[in-house]
Amino acid sequence: RKEVEQDPGPFNVPEGATVAFNCTYSNSASQSFFWYRQDCRKEPKLLMSVYSSGNEDGRFTAQLNRASQYISLLIRDSKLSDSATYLCVVTGGSYIPTFGRGTSLIVHP
Amino acid sequence: DADVTQTPRNRITKTGKRIMLECSQTKGHDRMYWYRQDPGLGLRLIYYSFDVKDINKGEISDGYSVSRQAQAKFSLSLESAIPNQTALYFCATSDFGGAQGDTQYFGPGTRLTVL
Repeated sequence: RKEVEQDPGPFNVPEGATVAFNCTYSNSASQSFFWYRQDCRKEPKLLMSVYSSGNEDGRFTAQLNRASQYISLLIRDSKLSDSATYLCVVTGGSYIPTFGRGTSLIVHP
Repeated sequence: DADVTQTPRNRITKTGKRIMLECSQTKGHDRMYWYRQDPGLGLRLIYYSFDVKDINKGEISDGYSVSRQAQAKFSLSLESAIPNQTALYFCATSDFGGAQGDTQYFGPGTRLTVL
């Protein structure tokens, strides 16, 4: 079982839709959790960190469920510019990040 | 100016050639990483360095070597390139214990093709 798993998608949604991605991780000792965004052929960039209490940044909400070992990303009111691949990243006790394979989102008019 | 730079940005080479990819950063971070990205496989860690005297193998280090010349520089070498090393290579830095915790900051990537 891969340490960090994501549904590769693609998730194909209309503008204005709400879409949610999940990411599961296998190491219960994992310490830090992140969502990154990657545009085609570009470098990944941090979208948001994920905290136990959940956190929100505008249209984006991230949540962590330690008991079930998953994190989620909710995007409300999707924009065309949200089209990208979303990478889940989990850092364990060794502080080495492990990346999921990414979930592709396509927002269409 | 970019905080993390990589050279070259694109490289085409032949099987058996030695290749060096270079990474420089101006962020002042101690931690540096090399990843490769292949379609459908995501980012995989090749090597990482937590400071100038610390070098560690990642998930897929076979066929690669690294050199940490200074806090700001971390080079990746392919001693004898083979076609399955064709991939997009990213360098990254992080500032453990800083305000952003383990956040990774990536360079723009090097697209390597081995013929």
